[in-house]
Amino acid sequence: DGGITQSPKYLFRKEGQNVTLSCEQNLNHDAMYWYRQDPGQGLRLIYYSQIVNDFQKGDIAEGYSVSREKKESFPLTVTSAQKNPTAFYLCASSIDSRVADTQYFGPGTRLTVL
Amino acid sequence: SQQGEEDPQALSIQEGENATMNCSYKTSINNLQWYRQNSGRGLVHLILIRSNEREKHSGRLRVTLDTSKKSSSLLITASRAADTASYFCATADAGGTSYGKLTFGQGTILTVHP
Repeated sequence: DGGITQSPKYLFRKEGQNVTLSCEQNLNHDAMYWYRQDPGQGLRLIYYSQIVNDFQKGDIAEGYSVSREKKESFPLTVTSAQKNPTAFYLCASSIDSRVADTQYFGPGTRLTVL
Repeated sequence: SQQGEEDPQALSIQEGENATMNCSYKTSINNLQWYRQNSGRGLVHLILIRSNEREKHSGRLRVTLDTSKKSSSLLITASRAADTASYFCATADAGGTSYGKLTFGQGTILTVHP
């Protein structure tokens, strides 16, 4: 089955630690995105990637980092510089980022800072 | 402020009734999309309407777009308990950036009582 997978589903982090969230897609999509969702809120764009080995900052990139070494994978690292990382993180992909078309979402990772 | 703002923030109806959600936005758009999110899950794309379209249907869903008023509405007819979810509108800007960025509203929480 084609789709987007995210792991883990739940993640707990101690203050000062970096953690990496996984996102994998087998849809052969060029573009991938990371969003953050806080309770009762919409989605805010953290980073996006239009093609392998390229990525750009979104609206709230501070304290986060990404890589795009493979077309299928777009991991997100939440660094200790992110002051309020507790949130629900969603990864998405789309066929072509040149046109704002349908985005396909993974199931999400809920990150909690202890 | 949010590009897309949904109204109402929450809607509670009985099974069989129709549900209408509205979305307003501020800038010129290429298209507007509606997504659904079940609690704690990823988003699922429902429908996309382009700026040159006025109305679109998909099953029990009907979306309208009024670019002169910068607003859209999502109508769910004959609602079911399984329609209980949060619904988000997302807009794709018409100009400026060349990538497929979507700006999400804060969502409408729909509860359908059996």
